Amino acid sequence: AQSVTQPDIHITVSEGASLELRCNYSYGATPYLFWYVQSPGQGLQLLLKYFSGDTLVQGIKGFEAEFKRSQSSFNLRKPSVHWSDAAEYFCAVRGGGNKLTFGTGTQLKVEL
Amino acid sequence: SAVISQKPSRDICQRGTSLTIQCQVDSQVTMMFWYRQQPGQSLTLIATANQGSEATYESGFVIDKFPISRPNLTFSTLTVSNMSPEDSSIYLCSVLRDRVYPEAFFGQGTRLTVV
Repeated sequence: AQSVTQPDIHITVSEGASLELRCNYSYGATPYLFWYVQSPGQGLQLLLKYFSGDTLVQGIKGFEAEFKRSQSSFNLRKPSVHWSDAAEYFCAVRGGGNKLTFGTGTQLKVEL
Repeated sequence: SAVISQKPSRDICQRGTSLTIQCQVDSQVTMMFWYRQQPGQSLTLIATANQGSEATYESGFVIDKFPISRPNLTFSTLTVSNMSPEDSSIYLCSVLRDRVYPEAFFGQGTRLTVV
């Protein structure tokens, strides 16, 4: 069975600073990987996805993620964080039956 | 993308009662799912809603507690039956348009509080 680990429960960064959120996955086949963001009281919005090809994928809102098969990682990055980026971020892997398995999430706080 | 309308957006219910949550998609989709997000937790898959047949439930979830319907390719309902305070969660509908390169889209969720 697939699994996703997000080791950081909470992260605080200053506005304008760079950001990296970690995600490690476990899956027997080629993974389909996703990052979602959830703002308070909202549903989940897809930030970016990796299916195949270029291991560095670009997403919305200036986010990018890099797939590293050797490390089973799919870390999310942003060069300069904005206050509006404060939210919860979920990494997910698609497994059998097209079901998504989510990590436990990372709560991002942005200090002004 | 897919536009997903989920109703109600929130509700406060008495224990022992039932609530039916609706999920309407703006176009036909191949698969529909229901997730639960307990307070401060991640998302857990409840079941896959199958058109015209019984839903496929994940371990720990049963049809008597969470009956699901999917009468067509754009609509599904989830009922939370005989509610208790432990059922207080956000319930989210999710859809896949395409089996080949599926991106899952989510509704805004239903925030349920059981008192």
